[in-house]
Amino acid sequence: AAGVIQSPRHLIKEKRETATLKCYPIPRHDTVYWYQQGPGQDPQFLISFYEKMQSDKGSIPDRFSAQQFSDYHSELNMSSLELGDSALYFCASSLSFRTGGEQFFGPGTRLTVL
Amino acid sequence: AQKVTQAQTEISVVEKEDVTLDCVYETRDTTYYLFWYKQPPSGELVFLIRRNSFDEQNEISGRYSWNFQKSTSSFNFTITASQVVDSAVYFCALIVTGGTSYGKLTFGQGTILTVHP
Repeated sequence: AAGVIQSPRHLIKEKRETATLKCYPIPRHDTVYWYQQGPGQDPQFLISFYEKMQSDKGSIPDRFSAQQFSDYHSELNMSSLELGDSALYFCASSLSFRTGGEQFFGPGTRLTVL
Repeated sequence: AQKVTQAQTEISVVEKEDVTLDCVYETRDTTYYLFWYKQPPSGELVFLIRRNSFDEQNEISGRYSWNFQKSTSSFNFTITASQVVDSAVYFCALIVTGGTSYGKLTFGQGTILTVHP
């Protein structure tokens, strides 16, 4: 069965650089979520998209932006990177969020900012 | 606002012991869903169970069992006869579906389980 795909799996950037993370949800899933998990922390919700429109926003820094494209893949753009942005970034997708449908997580992108 | 609390930061057991991971949640919504996820050292999040707020029936899946009690807002997870491969971080999480919620997960802080041989 198809799973959520994230790329790249690992990314190393310097401070003040820009990073773009990509997510390909499971086909026919209508909602995409982004989460950030710092070292030793629980995953924190950043932003979500329902049918390609931004649906909800968490504690996402202004330096971050995201969008969902016509083919339903999503990208998280992070600018002016800081050391504190080093984390594991998960993308998840679900069908029927209104019924608390299971969120299927991708393998994550590990971002290291030097 | 929703909140999930996992009071046990770390648990260490010896193989074959039973272990229970506690989870307490807070929400004013009457319709919600509770989850447990496992995060092994490799880092991925593995779905274990989903339970809706109207179904308090306990569930057993192999060595895993879950006890949902609305009266105490708890959703505890028990591993029977633990194995080394159970070593991981376990997260309890909550989704509410009312209002403007689009199903984002609110996670607890996680419990690090270490099973020694």
